[in-house]
Amino acid sequence: GAGVSQSPSNKVTEKGKDVELRCDPISGHTALYWYRQSLGQGLEFLIYFQGNSAPDKSGLPSDRFSAERTGGSVSTLTIQRTQQEDSAVYLCASSLEQGNEQFFGPGTRLTVL
Amino acid sequence: AQSVTQPDIHITVSEGASLELRCNYSYGATPYLFWYVQSPGQGLQLLLKYFSGDTLVQGIKGFEAEFKRSQSSFNLRKPSVHWSDAAEYFCAVSNTGGFKTIFGAGTRLFVKA
Repeated sequence: GAGVSQSPSNKVTEKGKDVELRCDPISGHTALYWYRQSLGQGLEFLIYFQGNSAPDKSGLPSDRFSAERTGGSVSTLTIQRTQQEDSAVYLCASSLEQGNEQFFGPGTRLTVL
Repeated sequence: AQSVTQPDIHITVSEGASLELRCNYSYGATPYLFWYVQSPGQGLQLLLKYFSGDTLVQGIKGFEAEFKRSQSSFNLRKPSVHWSDAAEYFCAVSNTGGFKTIFGAGTRLFVKA
């Protein structure tokens, strides 16, 4: 039984470059979430997708951040023109339906030099 | 706006001692409440959740939490801590729809022999 997977597990990039982070949710889960966890900090909500509804983007910190979810499954979080303050672990989670337990992926550790 | 406060950044308890981790939330309606645990090198895992009904909820690994509406609290407890409980614990709240979830900053638990 596959859980939530994320790739890459680690990403090192130079300031100003664009990066794409991928999330494969658990099959059949309708909701998908992205969070950011900075060193020593809690989880910062970024965005969630629910079925075919418009995503809630209220947590995206700037217009350099965007996300899409294709076919109601795989999601990609894109950060354009990365800055050093973008360095963090980006976590993806999915849930079967609203209000239920979120299952988290292992995260992608992003380091911006 | 929703918010979650975990007043203790870190707590140290002796193995076998009892544990209580504090969580206070701010939300205008009846919230959905969660406790997650993040063990070193592992992803987040749900310990327990409260949606409605009995205000004392039981979770995995011997944990329980009590919802106290009058105090806007959802404290996590365990009667006897094991060394393997050393981890970071996050309290979270979501709206009635259950999608957008706000996490506290976390409490890191250290267990001493």
